[in-house]
Amino acid sequence: GIQVEQSPPDLILQEGANSTLRCNFSDSVNNLQWFHQNPWGQLINLFYIPSGTKQNGRLSATTVATERYSLLYISSSQTTDSGVYFCAVVHVGANNLFFGTGTRLTVIP
Amino acid sequence: KAGVTQTPRYLIKTRGQQVTLSCSPISGHRSVSWYQQTPGQGLQFLFEYFSETQRNKGNFPGRFSGRQFSNSRSEMNVSTLELGDSALYLCASSFRGDPYEQYFGPGTRLTVT
Repeated sequence: GIQVEQSPPDLILQEGANSTLRCNFSDSVNNLQWFHQNPWGQLINLFYIPSGTKQNGRLSATTVATERYSLLYISSSQTTDSGVYFCAVVHVGANNLFFGTGTRLTVIP
Repeated sequence: KAGVTQTPRYLIKTRGQQVTLSCSPISGHRSVSWYQQTPGQGLQFLFEYFSETQRNKGNFPGRFSGRQFSNSRSEMNVSTLELGDSALYLCASSFRGDPYEQYFGPGTRLTVT
């Protein structure tokens, strides 16, 4: 099956710092989504980005499908950004999301 | 538009019992998928339904089953519960499945004692 690797696994930042999270995948995909899992477990949609670049406030994402990676940028981090960030892809021919192992972000004041 | 809803939110069951979880998708969405999240295995796909038909199934034993109703609401059932079934069960809906964006509900946290 498809492999999805996220890096780094853990990240600790001072409030106000910027960060880049990376997602590598091993095969062609039709769909790529970034999620933030809140402390209660719900997955919050950040970006639906099978290719290209999108921005939403302090967050932006870029997917280069031909090179099989996606990046999530968080600028001017806040303590509320803490949590686990997941990248998930849909392999060509499938209908389900395949998740990476996540990046646990901790933002300290 | 209301989001994906799941009931119940928390559940405690005993080994050997069975459990049914419910998921109501976003209005107009016809694809419903179920995922299991555990600390050891991460987020894993269980099954996906579209128009009352199971289109795709993950690598889980037959004790895990599901169905979808004509109004797109879905239920999943786990029979003969084991301790290892303790997990957060997440439901996602999308318009038609891939390649449409998927939206998740708040989850049902199941504890098996």
